[in-house]
Amino acid sequence: AQSVTQPDIHITVSEGASLELRCNYSYGATPYLFWYVQSPGQGLQLLLKYFSGDTLVQGIKGFEAEFKRSQSSFNLRKPSVHWSDAAEYFCAVLFDSNYQLIWGAGTKLIIKP
Amino acid sequence: DAGITQSPRHKVTETGTPVTLRCHQTENHRYMYWYRQDPGHGLRLIHYSYGVKDTDKGEVSDGYSVSRSKTEDFLLTLESATSSQTSVYFCAISGGLAGGTDTQYFGPGTRLTVL
Repeated sequence: AQSVTQPDIHITVSEGASLELRCNYSYGATPYLFWYVQSPGQGLQLLLKYFSGDTLVQGIKGFEAEFKRSQSSFNLRKPSVHWSDAAEYFCAVLFDSNYQLIWGAGTKLIIKP
Repeated sequence: DAGITQSPRHKVTETGTPVTLRCHQTENHRYMYWYRQDPGHGLRLIHYSYGVKDTDKGEVSDGYSVSRSKTEDFLLTLESATSSQTSVYFCAISGGLAGGTDTQYFGPGTRLTVL
């Protein structure tokens, strides 16, 4: 079955440190890949997406993600986090067999001052 | 931000009562979706619509029905609310004129509590 895994439920990072959030999917072909962010009590905002082409994609708020086909991964990175990055981050995958997004369970990012 | 509104934003109801949540969009997007969000589960698709009067079930459709009589509105009905349906409900849209069907944009959510 198609699935999306975010192995880290929580991650704590010091302000100014680098960040990497992991996302793996199970699927034979290349899906469409997304990262969304949800601030407390808010809706979901699209950070970035990958459909094809360059496997390193840039998003909003200084985030980037790299698609690695061999590892079935789409990890989100940021070189230096800010306190305002504290939120929950969701990886989602659109498999081309239908128009339904499959979601990871989310990673909650905590920023230490 | 995509023009998506949800109403009500908060609702408390009692077990056994029917509840209808509304999603309204001003983007003329073809696809509309209803999700529920629960801790540890991410988002789970309840129902979606791919056009007026065209709907289909998602992963967790039991106990829910939907209707779409016009492009801009997508209604989610809990026929007889249960405590297990206490959740945050999100509407999403996709398939606008330039974006194809591939990117979903989300409404602000409705927090529903069933007592």
